[in-house]
Amino acid sequence: DQQVKQNSPSLSVQEGRISILNCDYTNSMFDYFLWYKKYPAEGPTFLISISSIKDKNEDGRFTVFLNKSAKHLSLHIVPSQPGDSAVYFCAASEVEGSYIPTFGRGTSLIVHP
Amino acid sequence: DVKVTQSSRYLVKRTGEKVFLECVQDMDHENMFWYRQDPGLGLRLIYFSYDVKMKEKGDIPEGYSVSREKKERFSLILESASTNQTSMYLCASISRNTEAFFGQGTRLTVV
Repeated sequence: DQQVKQNSPSLSVQEGRISILNCDYTNSMFDYFLWYKKYPAEGPTFLISISSIKDKNEDGRFTVFLNKSAKHLSLHIVPSQPGDSAVYFCAASEVEGSYIPTFGRGTSLIVHP
Repeated sequence: DVKVTQSSRYLVKRTGEKVFLECVQDMDHENMFWYRQDPGLGLRLIYFSYDVKMKEKGDIPEGYSVSREKKERFSLILESASTNQTSMYLCASISRNTEAFFGQGTRLTVV
């Protein structure tokens, strides 16, 4: 049973527009959430994270929003660029627990020029 | 610059061969992981290790074993490779309250 779900396998966006990637989780013990970006034939790289004590974290063009009551987080990329085309993985962990990250299945983002 | 290094980028092995995938990290992290990535299935945890000589099964350990003789090195072993183990294998290390750092991945093809 998936504890971290990314229900959209793919997303297509025009350059300059906003990309919104969504993630839902079921385990209420998760308190640390991360987004990773992965290009083909490379390992994932960390993008941005958020602790459960916050509802928003921003880093340049990337913003992550957390809605704990809905067990939902989203990654916003504004403005989207062709170089953002990659697979994005949502991950969650328990900071004081096992802190093993559990990953979603990923969303493939394509940004068209 | 922190680094997780996997010994091979691409490997082709025959069915029944014993395969070793090596991973080394230079961050002095206690925890190391092996995942495999398959299309539509995301990253699935095979094994992880909290410390030297300690190992725990992940979600899909069948057909795999691991070895951690030194803190910086975590090896994944395919005892008898099969075609359904063709995949991208990703090693990662993590310390408490940090993000996971991944190696570049090993694309293994079993023929």
